[in-house]
Amino acid sequence: GESVGLHLPTLSVQEGDNSIINCAYSNSASDYFIWYKQESGKGPQFIIDIRSNMDKRQGQRVTVLLNKTVKHLSLQIAATQPGDSAVYFCAERGTSYGKLTFGQGTILTVHP
Amino acid sequence: NAGVTQTPKFRILKIGQSMTLQCTQDMNHNYMYWYRQDPGMGLKLIYYSVGAGITDKGEVPNGYNVSRSTTEDFPLRLELAAPSQTSVYFCASSFRGRDTGELFFGEGSRLTVL
Repeated sequence: GESVGLHLPTLSVQEGDNSIINCAYSNSASDYFIWYKQESGKGPQFIIDIRSNMDKRQGQRVTVLLNKTVKHLSLQIAATQPGDSAVYFCAERGTSYGKLTFGQGTILTVHP
Repeated sequence: NAGVTQTPKFRILKIGQSMTLQCTQDMNHNYMYWYRQDPGMGLKLIYYSVGAGITDKGEVPNGYNVSRSTTEDFPLRLELAAPSQTSVYFCASSFRGRDTGELFFGEGSRLTVL
């Protein structure tokens, strides 16, 4: 399920299911997007990135989809595992060199 | 190769006190950043630097100062700490910020202001 307001959106899945985490970005001029994973008590870790001239990019068990028309980004995780449980952030890079703007984040919980 | 190292990991301050959060990276990255993360929220950019001697404000710079005297170090100074500065602070670095977006993050510094 999901919750809004002061709480992060949440996604609960069973081990082995596929997960889809969504993100709406704000700047139509952003040229680069990244997904980060943050485990409890740790700094964010890079998962996958995509440039604005692409609409899909695949990694190991992960796929990122970009829809520039509606300014939407999604992260698909195949065969989700308990170790995938974390907070996932999307980030966009606008016109300023290197600066990333982060989204609110989504809590993914994977049940064995 | 330690990556991005932040100290201290935890700190409690009283209102009005000052302190410096240290950040060092050994990857020879030219870009460095400071973000803060409030509970249940994403990361907000405080300050960033594109090279030694060059710094610029991010989204939430008030109450903070930075310096970049070397490529490796990017300390964040809090003057006159306020409860609103209670947060987790992350330092990050990247190489050639325009060509790659991947930021390498430290483990974070948890600051509480009472």
